[in-house]
Amino acid sequence: EAGVAQSPRYKIIEKRQSVAFWCNPISGHATLYWYQQILGQGPKLLIQFQNNGVVDDSQLPKDRFSAERLKGVDSTLKIQPAKLEDSAVYLCASSLDPRYTVRNEQFFGPGTRLTVL
Amino acid sequence: KNEVEQSPQNLTAQEGEFITINCSYSVGISALHWLQQHPGGGIVSLFMLSSGKKKHGRLIATINIQEKHSSLHITASHPRDSAVYICAVTNYGQNFVFGPGTRLSVLP
Repeated sequence: EAGVAQSPRYKIIEKRQSVAFWCNPISGHATLYWYQQILGQGPKLLIQFQNNGVVDDSQLPKDRFSAERLKGVDSTLKIQPAKLEDSAVYLCASSLDPRYTVRNEQFFGPGTRLTVL
Repeated sequence: KNEVEQSPQNLTAQEGEFITINCSYSVGISALHWLQQHPGGGIVSLFMLSSGKKKHGRLIATINIQEKHSSLHITASHPRDSAVYICAVTNYGQNFVFGPGTRLSVLP
């Protein structure tokens, strides 16, 4: 079974530029998560999709971050314009619908390491 | 106070040593996860526990629900075990709550 795919793996941009990340979840997983992980910290949830609808985006900085999952499969996360503090690893994860899964196992992609100069 | 805490924050061991990483949490949970993150960034799930103990190869994970504590043990550690180990909890389908991670370096 193929895992969660992400691209690019690495990205270096200058502040105020724009960047987009792509994620393809495991086939059949209705729920998709984007996390931001700053060096030395645990992942922080940015947004959770259930199919193509947003379940939780309370920690997404909406003035500069946006995400979509138009057909309920692939997702893109965009930052526009980027700031220095956005340097982090951006992780995508997917799972079966957690409403029907007691233990909620998430499967993570390899992450995209973003450096903002 | 963070809902999930880990200790130690950093750990350096010699190859072959027995390693223990601890996790404590303050919220109700239905499952606790131990995750491994290598320098490239990707995260791999090692264990998902709701009670007792699980073993996989040289890795052992235990959980004490009453004390809200879990431990991850690595026997006969090897340099390839060098990674960040993250404890995360979830409660009946709610989102993960992650600990800050423990950075392990195993020296040859």
